[in-house]
Amino acid sequence: GAVVSQHPSWVICKSGTSVKIECRSLDFQATTMFWYRQFPKQSLMLMATSNEGSKATYEQGVEKDKFLINHASLTLSTLTVTSAHPEDSSFYICSADRQGLYGYTFGSGTRLTVV
Amino acid sequence: QKEVEQDPGPLSVPEGAIVSLNCTYSNSAFQYFMWYRQYSRKGPELLMYTYSSGNKEDGRFTAQVDKSSKYISLFIRDSQPSDSATYLCAMSGKDMRFGAGTRLTVKP
Repeated sequence: GAVVSQHPSWVICKSGTSVKIECRSLDFQATTMFWYRQFPKQSLMLMATSNEGSKATYEQGVEKDKFLINHASLTLSTLTVTSAHPEDSSFYICSADRQGLYGYTFGSGTRLTVV
Repeated sequence: QKEVEQDPGPLSVPEGAIVSLNCTYSNSAFQYFMWYRQYSRKGPELLMYTYSSGNKEDGRFTAQVDKSSKYISLFIRDSQPSDSATYLCAMSGKDMRFGAGTRLTVKP
């Protein structure tokens, strides 16, 4: 089946530093990947849509200069949280759209804690 | 009004009970309807998907879609403690939207 690997699963960083999260489709090519943010007891909030070889499309209210997305290949998308602050602490999840299958395959998520 | 409404619960049932989870939506353009299960600190996993109105059964799970009422349901029969998780409904047309998720606990 379709597998999406997300790494790291958790990270603690100091305020002001940058953190990179990777999302890989292991057994299929993903032309489109999505990045979500989830706060405790809340639903997934779409942050941006990542398209291979082109710029990401950000949802309203999401700072593109703070959340840098790169989708350099058909199997890898990265989200970099730049100059992280405590309010950026959250659960970040990626998903990939495998063409021909309904629904998306999600990564296992990354819990970011900024101290 | 949110595009997708889902009661966040929490919902607690005894083992063996029938569980009913529901979502309503407002966008008539949604065509595909999905249910995801999310365990704590994990990404969501696809449980069921349906297209258009009707029922779909997979083992102990039944997904139901009523497009005329803009209402979808997920039924879990003979619920087990391992079913304890948050269940998210999702639907898509041009874009995909998620419900808030219902936290379910099945007590042994």
